[in-house]
Parts: sequence; structure tokens; C-alpha cells
Amino acid sequence: DVKVTQSSRYLVKRTGEKVFLECVQDMDHENMFWYRQDPGLGLRLIYFSYDVKMKEKGDIPEGYSVSREKKERFSLILESASTNQTSMYLCASSLNGWRGAPSDEQFFGPGTRLTVL
Amino acid sequence: KNEVEQSPQNLTAQEGEFITINCSYSVGISALHWLQQHPGGGIVSLFMLSSGKKKHGRLIATINIQEKHSSLHITASHPRDSAVYICAVPLIQGAQKLVFGQGTRLTINP
Repeated sequence: DVKVTQSSRYLVKRTGEKVFLECVQDMDHENMFWYRQDPGLGLRLIYFSYDVKMKEKGDIPEGYSVSREKKERFSLILESASTNQTSMYLCASSLNGWRGAPSDEQFFGPGTRLTVL
Repeated sequence: KNEVEQSPQNLTAQEGEFITINCSYSVGISALHWLQQHPGGGIVSLFMLSSGKKKHGRLIATINIQEKHSSLHITASHPRDSAVYICAVPLIQGAQKLVFGQGTRLTINP
């Protein structure tokens, strides 16, 4: 079974702090995704990576950056956390590795509930 | 950009009832995803389908490509089916990126 793990289930940070959210998948998937989920807004894509060191902006990249130095690991970075970044953050991965590949099943991590005070 | 609408937003039913959740989208797609999210946050992929019907246990998903519509059915519903059900379709510009519906919150009472 594919396993996607996230570094923390719950995280509390202060405004202005630099925050790292880590995601690791163990099935050699090419694609990895970071989403945030807010009540009434559903799941929204922050960033997407289809290969090591490759990334694409999603719908809401402002205030976030990402890093993919190794295939299995995709990190989401909040350079200076703000209260409007309080949210549930979900990481996902899927197999197909090129941007034009057909839509593929995504496997999700358990989520990190981040609170910024 | 593909828009996704789900209905109903909330659904409460008694154990044993037949459940239907609907999903409509605005532009042509290669595949549609149904996901399940239990309280606590974890999301599980239930189905990915591009035509016809798929069945897994008591869950059945159907899609009508011409109508741009999909349904998720649950037969003999059980309280453990209580969850949020989400449909998602690819963005027109890139098939790897998904657009998600708002979700349907299903509660099955014993």
C-alpha cells in the first residue's frame, strides 16, 4: 500500500515564524501535491511537483514556497507565517510523472492542522 | 477552468437507506475522482472513472460524459459510511491538477 506521511498532525506557531511542513511518500511516485482545506472553500492546490526540483504554482501559492530535493520528500515552507494561514494542510502523491499524463489516483497523507497565533 | 458542483451539501439518513450524491462539472474531462474524508482529516480515494460504472462493495459510481454528471451511490448504508464525500475533476490545462467540489457531508443514523 502507498503510504504518505506528514511530519506533524497538529502544529501551533506564532505570526512571523518560518514554518516547515514535511511530506514523505514511499511508493516512488513522481507527482506530489500540497493542498490546504478550509471550511466552505474545499481543497485548494498550493503547489505541485512532477519531478525532483520541478514545481508548479497552484491556485493559491502566495505566502508559500516548496522544496523537492529528493523524489520521496516534498516540503511546504511558510516564510513568515500569518494568521490567515491557519488551516488544514494535506499532502498527496500520484504515480504519473509528466505534466501531460492522464489524471491519476492521488494518495493523501493524514493532514497537518496548523494554527498561527 | 473546470467548475465542480456537488449536491446535496448535507445529507442525513437512517441506517439501511440507499444514498445518492451527485457531481456536475463544466468542461470535458478524462477522468473523475470520488474521495472520502472521515472526521480527523484523512482522505481516501474511492474511485477514478472515465466512463460507465464502477462498483466496490456497497459503493457504486457512475458517470455520464455527455451530461457531464457523476453519481456516487451507497447501498444498505451504515453509520460507518458517515463522512464527507468529495468529487474532483482535472483542470482543463493540466490533467494532474484537480479541481475539487465542496463536498457532501453524509450522516447515517443507527
